[in-house]
Amino acid sequence: AQTVTQSQPEMSVQEAETVTLSCTYDTSESDYYLFWYKQPPSRQMILVIRQEAYKQQNATENRFSVNFQKAAKSFSLKISDSQLGDAAMYFCAYNTGNQFYFGTGTSLTVIP
Amino acid sequence: DVKVTQSSRYLVKRTGEKVFLECVQDMDHENMFWYRQDPGLGLRLIYFSYDVKMKEKGDIPEGYSVSREKKERFSLILESASTNQTSMYLCASSPPDRDEQYFGPGTRLTVT
Repeated sequence: AQTVTQSQPEMSVQEAETVTLSCTYDTSESDYYLFWYKQPPSRQMILVIRQEAYKQQNATENRFSVNFQKAAKSFSLKISDSQLGDAAMYFCAYNTGNQFYFGTGTSLTVIP
Repeated sequence: DVKVTQSSRYLVKRTGEKVFLECVQDMDHENMFWYRQDPGLGLRLIYFSYDVKMKEKGDIPEGYSVSREKKERFSLILESASTNQTSMYLCASSPPDRDEQYFGPGTRLTVT
């Protein structure tokens, strides 16, 4: 069975600093996608970044980047130059075919 | 922009009532999903649909049913609401195969 584990229920970071959110997953598939979603307080869930499993190069989107370790089944999110607007719940997700599997989320606090 | 809308942001119902949660997407997506979000449990899949009139059970379908009569609309039905169904309900849609999901704003349902 596919599972996604986020071992950090809560994290905090000083404004302008860098923070890394951890995610591991379990799968027997070789072809899949991985995602990080952001859910700000009382706001809609939006996609932060995605990674195709067949691509060795780590995805980046402005201040957001991932460290994808396929053999270790690890997919961490790095947020550089953290901003107050980055405060949110972050969910790691795995997708194969039409099914998505989500982790339990990491609540990120940004300290001014 | 993809838009996924949900019929209500907040809903209060009494135990035993039949509850309808509506979701509409405007991107002609084949796949639609209903999740339940609870603190510490992340997102749990209730049902999904990959085509009109098609539905598949997710991880927690008990106490719920769904209807998809048109491609753009996916309804979640609580046949007889119970207090343990108090939760945030998220609808999402996606194109076929290994692509991101687009989420609605969520419906916070309280059953008293």
